[in-house]
Amino acid sequence: EPEVTQTPSHQVTQMGQEVILRCVPISNHLYFYWYRQILGQKVEFLVSFYNNEISEKSEIFDDQFSVERPDGSNFTLKIRSTKLEDSAMYFCASSGYSGSQETQYFGPGTRLLVL
Amino acid sequence: AQKVTQAQTEISVVEKEDVTLDCVYETRDTTYYLFWYKQPPSGELVFLIRRNSFDEQNEISGRYSWNFQKSTSSFNFTITASQVVDSAVYFCALSDDYGQNFVFGPGTRLSVLP
Repeated sequence: EPEVTQTPSHQVTQMGQEVILRCVPISNHLYFYWYRQILGQKVEFLVSFYNNEISEKSEIFDDQFSVERPDGSNFTLKIRSTKLEDSAMYFCASSGYSGSQETQYFGPGTRLLVL
Repeated sequence: AQKVTQAQTEISVVEKEDVTLDCVYETRDTTYYLFWYKQPPSGELVFLIRRNSFDEQNEISGRYSWNFQKSTSSFNFTITASQVVDSAVYFCALSDDYGQNFVFGPGTRLSVLP
């Protein structure tokens, strides 16, 4: 079964540093997403991406965040200057049709810890 | 503003019992999408269903079923004959027609005891 992969699985960084989280969506999917989940809290939507551009973004997704699909397979989330409150699990997802039903597939997540 | 309420913070049932997880939403949109996700103890997220607001038919998938009631703004999820592997946090979510204002509920932690 196809799957979404994410690297790294864990990342520790110093406050103020830039981080890039990488995702490889399922190859024939067209919609890509980033979500985050602060430990013990609910999941939060960050951004969706379609046709090589952002289609929607939440209030969380400010100027410190950016997304890119640099080479047609990877889908990256960059945080320019990390803050302590960026510590969370970051999930990538892609969506496509399974039969007639649109289905989202999630990656295993990247746990980011900002010190 | 969009809002999703999952009033049940935690539920415990014994294996083989049926259990219903409640989800109530608020939106001013006439077209919107509702979702359910599962997050087992291992932490990954699993998509379960997406439902368009115009489709009020109940959905059944194996032991899972969903009851969408527009009149009460609810999208409840029932697990029939629960199993230990159903133990997880279940999130209900809502988005508008364009996928903006994507809001998750706080989640319901379901524990199925053997």
